[in-house]
Amino acid sequence: EIQLQESGPGLVKPSQSLSLTCSVTGYTITSGYDWSWIRKFPGNKMEWMGYISYSGSTNYNPSLKSRISITRDTSKNQFFLQLNSVTTEDTATYYCARTIPYYYVMDAWGQGASVTVSS
Amino acid sequence: DIQMTQSPASLSASLGETVSIECLASEGISNDLAWYQQKSGKSPQLLIYAASRLQDGVPSRFSGSGSGTRYSLKISGMQPEDEADYFCQQSYKYPLTFGSGTKLEIK
Repeated sequence: EIQLQESGPGLVKPSQSLSLTCSVTGYTITSGYDWSWIRKFPGNKMEWMGYISYSGSTNYNPSLKSRISITRDTSKNQFFLQLNSVTTEDTATYYCARTIPYYYVMDAWGQGASVTVSS
Repeated sequence: DIQMTQSPASLSASLGETVSIECLASEGISNDLAWYQQKSGKSPQLLIYAASRLQDGVPSRFSGSGSGTRYSLKISGMQPEDEADYFCQQSYKYPLTFGSGTKLEIK
């Protein structure tokens, strides 16, 4: 059974970078699927941030394109989110998720990592 | 971006009642619509994709329908474990976008 687990700092200062790790067990991230980051803001709005594919290509939400980077470490079966120049508006719960190609829906999610941007 | 307007924002239902939640897309999305359930403190779970295809393991009381810009999720016979937030997601075009969510409670 696949499991995803987010980890990273729960508090980030404005203007700094937010960095999160998604550790995947039960499936090898190079075997298939896309691997997404999604965030849920206070008030429940959800935003798809981007993905890295099993082959290593990336696709980002244009609203974040200048600030976001998604990378991976295949030896550790992990993928990463970096979001630069954060503001208080980036305060959210961040989820990593497996994304089914062709259908582009998320069939497995991590438990979520709460990140607060505050000085 | 495709805007997804979800309604209602909240509703309460009695056990056994049939419940419907709707999503309206700002343009046609050719049945590329998914529904998720998120229970309190848990991660979202995929219920339905391609508008009407039930994800493995999801009870058959959940069903999806719709076409063009209008889609709905129906729960036929509300159960206690169905109390949760529900939200839709269009998968027709990147960036993927979500509805604002519906909070479903037991009356």
